[in-house]
Amino acid sequence: GEDVEQSLFLSVREGDSSVINCTYTDSSSTYLYWYKQEPGAGLQLLTYIFSNMDMKQDQRLTVLLNKKDKHLSLRIADTQTGDSAIYFCAETPLGGGSYIPTFGRGTSLIVHP
Amino acid sequence: DVKVTQSSRYLVKRTGEKVFLECVQDMDHENMFWYRQDPGLGLRLIYFSYDVKMKEKGDIPEGYSVSREKKERFSLILESASTNQTSMYLCASSSPPGPTNEKLFFGSGTQLSVL
Repeated sequence: GEDVEQSLFLSVREGDSSVINCTYTDSSSTYLYWYKQEPGAGLQLLTYIFSNMDMKQDQRLTVLLNKKDKHLSLRIADTQTGDSAIYFCAETPLGGGSYIPTFGRGTSLIVHP
Repeated sequence: DVKVTQSSRYLVKRTGEKVFLECVQDMDHENMFWYRQDPGLGLRLIYFSYDVKMKEKGDIPEGYSVSREKKERFSLILESASTNQTSMYLCASSSPPGPTNEKLFFGSGTQLSVL
């Protein structure tokens, strides 16, 4: 079955760039997502990328996809204290009738002033 | 603005009690999900439903049941609550698979404590 792995913690200084990494195992075409969970709240979709893309940029966020290595990263430029949250990587394989996303365990991003 | 509403933000129950967690979405979504979230374990799927009166087991259905009598409402039931069911419960919904991505919309979560 599918598996999504990400490291549990990342600590950065305010103003620096953050890079959160994720690996996945499904080899079929897929959507890949980044969700953000702020303290005491549910998850909110940040951005997504389809597996035929290499990169997607949205303001301070850059998503990079290395299909060969099945590696996804989320870069946050000029990280702010308000970016402190848990970031979840998720994938939804297309085809085969399954539309259930598989989530990683989440990376806690801690931003120091 | 799209909305997934969970009826309780915090809930404290006793061991053996029957517990109902309610979730309502206003987006006319076919798919609804219940997850539990525990530190270090991420999100684990309990049950999902892709239509009214339809339900499918997720990865950890033991000790839970669900009800989907109306399209907008998906209830999670703990028949006899146990302390190991103390957790954050998250409800989500999504539209059917299609040319657009199947992103999930989440509620704010219910923190359940079973004493």
